[in-house]
Amino acid sequence: AQSVSQHNHHVILSEAASLELGCNYSYGGTVNLFWYVQYPGQHLQLLLKYFSGDPLVKGIKGFEAEFIKSKFSFNLRKPSVQWSDTAEYFCAVLSYNTDKLIFGTGTRLQVFP
Amino acid sequence: DGGITQSPKYLFRKEGQNVTLSCEQNLNHDAMYWYRQDPGQGLRLIYYSQIVNDFQKGDIAEGYSVSREKKESFPLTVTSAQKNPTAFYLCASSISSTDRVNYEQYFGPGTRLTVT
Repeated sequence: AQSVSQHNHHVILSEAASLELGCNYSYGGTVNLFWYVQYPGQHLQLLLKYFSGDPLVKGIKGFEAEFIKSKFSFNLRKPSVQWSDTAEYFCAVLSYNTDKLIFGTGTRLQVFP
Repeated sequence: DGGITQSPKYLFRKEGQNVTLSCEQNLNHDAMYWYRQDPGQGLRLIYYSQIVNDFQKGDIAEGYSVSREKKESFPLTVTSAQKNPTAFYLCASSISSTDRVNYEQYFGPGTRLTVT
């Protein structure tokens, strides 16, 4: 069965620290990859997505993610986090042989001033 | 102002009662989805519908039922057969997944259901 793994369940950082959240998926075929973010009390919203082309994808609020096909990974990065980045982050995969978006278990990020 | 609305935001029910959660979208999306979110488990797909009058079971459909009589609406009924119904329920919609370039799911604000 297809699956998505987010190994960091809870990350605590100070403002200005760099962030990298891991995401690995199990499907070997063509995929679309997504990172969603859920700020406290707000809707789940799209941070960035990969469809094809440049494996380095830039999203909103200074986030970026790199698709490494050989490692089945799509890690999320931000060079310098802010307190306002405190949220839960979800990686998701849409495979070409299903129409279902498979989500990881999420990573809770807390940023302290 | 386009988007997805879910009502109510909080819902309380007694065990043994069926309850229906509302989801409406005005984005003109063909596809709609219901997810359940539990702490540490991410989002799990309950049901999805790619077109009016058609829907498919997701990964955890047992104890739930849906209907899709209108493009804009995709209500979810949590039946008394659902063993652990207390959770946060999210509705989403999207364009057809055949358009991979533009595909993304848009989410509503969620309904928190508590069953005692």
